Parts: sequence; structure tokens; C-alpha cells
Amino acid sequence: AQSVTQLDSQVPVFEEAPVELRCNYSSSVSVYLFWYVQYPNQGLQLLLKYLSGSTLVKGINGFEAEFNKSQTSFHLRKPSVHISDTAEYFCAVRSNYGGSQGNLIFGKGTKLSVKP
Amino acid sequence: NAGVTQTPKFQVLKTGQSMTLQCAQDMNHNSMYWYRQDPGMGLRLIYYSASEGTTDKGEVPNGYNVSRLNKREFSLRLESAAPSQTSVYFCASSELGGRQETQYFGPGTRLLVL
Repeated sequence: AQSVTQLDSQVPVFEEAPVELRCNYSSSVSVYLFWYVQYPNQGLQLLLKYLSGSTLVKGINGFEAEFNKSQTSFHLRKPSVHISDTAEYFCAVRSNYGGSQGNLIFGKGTKLSVKP
Repeated sequence: NAGVTQTPKFQVLKTGQSMTLQCAQDMNHNSMYWYRQDPGMGLRLIYYSASEGTTDKGEVPNGYNVSRLNKREFSLRLESAAPSQTSVYFCASSELGGRQETQYFGPGTRLLVL
């Protein structure tokens, strides 16, 4: 079974500052990793995902994440945030072993609040 | 393309009442999912449908039933609502249900059970 821990429930940051949202996962098999973003009163949309290959993954809106297998982490970063990045961010994991169906397991979310 | 649509957007029920949440997607996706989102809990899978005609339980299926009406539509039914089912419900779809695929989410249905 897999699990995801998002270490910070809330992250306040000033506009144009860098930000890192932390995600650690636990799994006995290889996994695919995802970051989703949820803007207020909306559904989730994909920011980026790691499937294989390069451990640095670039996503939409200037976000990137780095897969670190030894530390079982997939932290999300942005060098300079905007007010419009205010949202809740979810890390998710899915095992890549077995048949096509396997639950996508979400972390509890990190609320990013960007202040002017 | 509207993507994934959900109705209603908001609903208030009394304990014991029943209701059906509707979901439709226009992306010709094979797989569809129902999640619930509770504060501080992230999203948890209730049921999914790998393809038309099939449904399977997820992590928290108790108190719910689903119907994959056709390829486009996947409904979630609460037969006898309980206050513990107060939540935001999200429907999602993916092209083939593969583990590496992106899931596309609807805007959600906010349900309050009194």
C-alpha cells in the first residue's frame, strides 16, 4: 500500500518569494507521482507528474518538482510566486505495479497563501 | 469541450433522505471516478468505473452506490444520507484508466446533511 505525507498544512509566503511545498511518500513498489492544484471553489487540475526518466519535472505556471528516490520525496518548488498561485496543492501517488487500476492516493493538501 | 460536469453544485439533505449526484464527461474517456474531500483529509476514492459496464469499490464505499449509465455518465447515489456524508464530492475521468494517466476533475458538489 502507498501513503503520502504533506508536511505543511499551510504555507504563507510573500509575492515574488520562492516557495517549496514538501511531499514524502511511502511505497513498497515503484510509483508514479503527481501534483494537483485546487483553486478556490474549483476542481483539481494537474500541475505536473513524474513517470520515469529525469528526476526534475517541469509543470504548468512555472512550477517544478524533483523526485528523490532515496529520500522518497517529491517536493514542489517555484522560484517566484504570484498572488494567483494562492490555492491548495495536493501531492498524490499511484503504484506502477499490477493491472491498470490502482487507487490514486492523495495527501492531505497544503494551502499556499501568497500575500502582497 | 465542457470537460467534466457535475450536478447539482450544492445540496442540503436531511438525515435519511436519498439523492443522486450526476457526473458527465465529454472527452470520450473510458474510466471515471468518484471522490469525497473532507477538510484536512485530502481526497478519498469512493467508487470507480474502469470502463462502461464495470464498477468497483474504492477506499470509502460504505453508504454509496454508483451506476455507469453509459460511457459519458457516472452517477453516485446516497440511499439514506447521514451527517458523516457531509462533504464535497468530485467526479473525475481518465482516458483509459492507466496508472500514469492524468485524471480530469469536475467542479464538485457540496453536500450538507443535517
